[in-house]
Amino acid sequence: QLQLQESGPGLVKPSETLSLACSVSGGSISNNNYYWDWIRQSPGRGLEWIGSIYFSGRTYYNPALKSRVTISVDTSQNQFSLNLSSVTAADTAVYYCARRDGFKNIPFNCWGQGTLVTVSS
Amino acid sequence: DIQMTQSPSTLSASVGDRISITCRASQSISRWLAWYQQKPGKAPKLLIYKASTLESGVPSRFSGSGSGTEFNLTIGSLQPDDFATYYCQHYNGFSPYTFGQGTKLDIK
Repeated sequence: QLQLQESGPGLVKPSETLSLACSVSGGSISNNNYYWDWIRQSPGRGLEWIGSIYFSGRTYYNPALKSRVTISVDTSQNQFSLNLSSVTAADTAVYYCARRDGFKNIPFNCWGQGTLVTVSS
Repeated sequence: DIQMTQSPSTLSASVGDRISITCRASQSISRWLAWYQQKPGKAPKLLIYKASTLESGVPSRFSGSGSGTEFNLTIGSLQPDDFATYYCQHYNGFSPYTFGQGTKLDIK
């Protein structure tokens, strides 16, 4: 059974870069049916899609965040990562990684448990 | 971006009730609409995709309908486990995916 697990610092200082990783177990990140996504949730902004990556490295970003976001994939480690630069308090949120099925066009049907990231000095 | 608007924001109901939640898109999204259930401290769980297709393992009391700009999630007979927050989401491939603001379903 596929499982996703986020990891990374829970506290990031303003203007620094938020870095998270998502480890995939129970399946291969190189499966060409799937895309791997980051989504965040905060009381003020609700659920917000950040971006997506395919195992080949092709990325798709939310235009609202595109200038600050980098998503990368490491197929040897079966994980993908999120970097969000120049963070402010508005980036405080629970960050989720998730999988969607591009072949069957099924949206996010597998999620990590989420990790809270607080932006504060 | 396509805006998704849910109504109501809060819904109070009793076990055994039949309820519906509405989601409206700011422009046509055909049937590229999903519904999720979220409980406190947990990740959202996919219930329905392509407006009316039930995700594997989801009870048949959940159903979805609609196309274009107006969609509904119906729960046929509420069970205690159904009290949660529900979100709609569009996944039209040509626009950033966006979610509704959520509908909190609580016990009357």
